[in-house]
Amino acid sequence: GAGVSQSPSNKVTEKGKDVELRCDPISGHTALYWYRQSLGQGLEFLIYFQGNSAPDKSGLPSDRFSAERTGGSVSTLTIQRTQQEDSAVYLCASSRRGGDYGYTFGSGTRLTVV
Amino acid sequence: GESVGLHLPTLSVQEGDNSIINCAYSNSASDYFIWYKQESGKGPQFIIDIRSNMDKRQGQRVTVLLNKTVKHLSLQIAATQPGDSAVYFCAEKASGTYKYIFGTGTRLKVLA
Repeated sequence: GAGVSQSPSNKVTEKGKDVELRCDPISGHTALYWYRQSLGQGLEFLIYFQGNSAPDKSGLPSDRFSAERTGGSVSTLTIQRTQQEDSAVYLCASSRRGGDYGYTFGSGTRLTVV
Repeated sequence: GESVGLHLPTLSVQEGDNSIINCAYSNSASDYFIWYKQESGKGPQFIIDIRSNMDKRQGQRVTVLLNKTVKHLSLQIAATQPGDSAVYFCAEKASGTYKYIFGTGTRLKVLA
């Protein structure tokens, strides 16, 4: 596609429910990243996918968070048993190689846990 | 859309004046730097980049300055316009790595 597409753009969920956030990267971009942006905070790295290599999951805050990337394209970030502190904007980005020349970001998914 | 952060440092500038946004980066091994602009409800957008073998780079109305001695990066915007109102982030990356480290951001408000 022309840009990085994320869905849904907004999600309100009840505490304890599971949510799935989707990212469709730019066609041909082999690298895909998830970041989290909380109010008053910078961008917090969550996970990185590069081609068929094992993902870098070092930024996932707890085992309630997981992500997968199917066929080297679309990625899904899953948060199980959501907590109020999970409320944030979740940003997906993609790039041609391992971040050279920066990323292209999607518009994000605003997650609100009530 | 809502603002991305309520407690960010804020720079208020009169329309037409020049803006200078500063960033202190953390890793002395970082050799590539980017400034991103994030408008309300949108993802960050690439503005300009600079490599560590340079100390200045100019784009259209924007200039990035790099001082490796004190690990400082700045973004200068000439003749600031209302459309420049946004949150600006600096990002750093070390050679051979794929992960960027982002600063907390500065909100630029352009006053008419």
